[in-house]
Amino acid sequence: QVQLQESGPGLVKPSETLSLTCTISGGSMRSYYWSWIRQPPGKGLEWIGHIHYSGTTNYKPSLKSRVTISVDTSKNQFSLRLSSMTAADTAVYYCARHRCSGGSCYLDLFDSWGQGTLVTVSS
Amino acid sequence: QSVLTQPPSVSGAPGQRVTISCTGSSSNIGAGYDVHWYQQLPGTAPKLLIYSNSNRPSGVPDRFSGSKSGSSASLVITGLQAEDEADYYCQSLDSSQSVHVEFGGGTKLTVL
Repeated sequence: QVQLQESGPGLVKPSETLSLTCTISGGSMRSYYWSWIRQPPGKGLEWIGHIHYSGTTNYKPSLKSRVTISVDTSKNQFSLRLSSMTAADTAVYYCARHRCSGGSCYLDLFDSWGQGTLVTVSS
Repeated sequence: QSVLTQPPSVSGAPGQRVTISCTGSSSNIGAGYDVHWYQQLPGTAPKLLIYSNSNRPSGVPDRFSGSKSGSSASLVITGLQAEDEADYYCQSLDSSQSVHVEFGGGTKLTVL
């Protein structure tokens, strides 16, 4: 059973860059897509972007200018960098694995999630 | 503002049936993209409930069913149980700009 665990700072100052890492255990990153998804307190889910184990990325258009997702398959990790943080970026950040079946993977379906990590933007 | 519109809340008594709608447009559900549904219990990560409009992952009770028609989709829960009280999210791809994932705003289900 694959497990995902987010790690990173719980507090970020306005205008700074957030860096989060998702560590995968119990499975390989190979062949899968991996996403970051966030949820502001009391609000809904927002997809941020994904990366394929090969390094190919896709980002939400409204966040594209501030987002970088990278992968380190040797460490079974992928990471999120979100620049120019504001209070509106305060959220629980989840990492998730895309579902794969029959040799193909869904670009938009998540079957395993981390527990999430709360990031607060405040001075 | 979500491009997939869900009612903020629905409620029902134990044993009843409830329906949660998810309304999209020609750039997402109406474009033929599949709809997926997630259940989020309080304080936990979302869990996949229905995928590709109407398919249940193993372990999901058959009380949960999904459908899609045109630019809309629905999640139906029959035989409502107390443990079904949760937030429910629909999700699809959207091609209004580059193709990307969109979630509905979420629906809070209250079991009376």
